[in-house]
Amino acid sequence: KQEVTQIPAALSVPEGENLVLNCSFTDSAIYNLQWFRQDPGKGLTSLLLIQSSQREQTSGRLNASLDKSSGRSTLYIAASQPGDSATYLCAVRSNDYKLSFGAGTTVTVRA
Amino acid sequence: DTAVSQTPKYLVTQMGNDKSIKCEQNLGHDTMYWYKQDSKKFLKIMFSYNNKELIINETVPNRFSPKSPDKAHLNLHINSLELGDSAVYFCASRAGGGYTFGSGTRLTVV
Repeated sequence: KQEVTQIPAALSVPEGENLVLNCSFTDSAIYNLQWFRQDPGKGLTSLLLIQSSQREQTSGRLNASLDKSSGRSTLYIAASQPGDSATYLCAVRSNDYKLSFGAGTTVTVRA
Repeated sequence: DTAVSQTPKYLVTQMGNDKSIKCEQNLGHDTMYWYKQDSKKFLKIMFSYNNKELIINETVPNRFSPKSPDKAHLNLHINSLELGDSAVYFCASRAGGGYTFGSGTRLTVV
């Protein structure tokens, strides 16, 4: 059974600092890994999707890396802004088509 | 246009009632899912349908019954609602790579 862990559970930084969010998973036989953002009381917004054959994906200030063999992914957010405050969820799609989520990292960017 | 839409957005009901949540996607995706997010914000898969066929059925009480009239719709019917069913339920769809989620239905059982 795939287990996904996200560290830290919460993070508070001043505006302008870079953010580093970690995700680890127990079964390296994955199809892909997806990072989502969830705002309070809202749905999930997809940020980045990394296929198992890829090492990283970038979109604007966001960069996600994937090390499948060690079961880790890291989401970097450069030059954080108050609008980046949200919960960030890591989700791993296993080869049995299930998407397993971590518990999330709640980020607060202070103005 | 909303890609994955769920209705209703909020649902407050009494214990013992039967209720349904509807989900529709206009992305042409073949696979649809229901996820439950509990009070600790943890998302867990409940069901998955591929082209109207059930492919994933996690350990969910049989009071929960998904119904897929066509590949664009996956509805969730819940019988005899219990207090512990209170949660946010998310519908999602997938084709090939990534998932697209709906905005969720917050169910409160009183």
